[in-house]
Amino acid sequence: AQTVTQSQPEMSVQEAETVTLSCTYDTSENNYYLFWYKQPPSRQMILVIRQEAYKQQNATENRFSVNFQKAAKSFSLKISDSQLGDTAMYFCAFMNAGKSTFGDGTTLTVKP
Amino acid sequence: DVKVTQSSRYLVKRTGEKVFLECVQDMDHENMFWYRQDPGLGLRLIYFSYDVKMKEKGDIPEGYSVSREKKERFSLILESASTNQTSMYLCASSILKGQGTEAFFGQGTRLTVV
Repeated sequence: AQTVTQSQPEMSVQEAETVTLSCTYDTSENNYYLFWYKQPPSRQMILVIRQEAYKQQNATENRFSVNFQKAAKSFSLKISDSQLGDTAMYFCAFMNAGKSTFGDGTTLTVKP
Repeated sequence: DVKVTQSSRYLVKRTGEKVFLECVQDMDHENMFWYRQDPGLGLRLIYFSYDVKMKEKGDIPEGYSVSREKKERFSLILESASTNQTSMYLCASSILKGQGTEAFFGQGTRLTVV
């Protein structure tokens, strides 16, 4: 069974600064996908970024980028130029065979 | 845009009641999922379905059942609600094609069992 660990229950960052959220996972699979999802307060969960395990290049989406270390089974999310709207709970997820396993989440607060 | 709609945002039910949580998606997705979300525990998979009339148990199926009679609708059933089923319930859907397709989530149903 896969496990996903987010070791930081809560984090905060000043507006315009950079923050990195950590995620590690455990699997014996070689082909899988990794995701970061964002759940703003009282709003729907949405996808932030996706990484295919077979790709060495780290995924980027505007201010969001990942540091994917396959051998270390690490998948961290970097948010640059943090904005107030980035305040949310962030979930790391591992997907294999169509089924996802989620971490416990990190609550990020962006302070003005 | 994909839309996943859960029938209720908030529900309050009594212990022992039979509870139905409904989820509808409008993008012809094959996969549908029910999760519960609890503080400090993340999202835990209750049941999922890859096709109409198909269902598979997730990590915490005890006390729950599901129904998928139509492709767009996936219902979660609490046969006899208990206080430890008080939680946020999230429905999600995804395309079957390939493995790397993201999940689209509903807005969640916060269920309180009293």
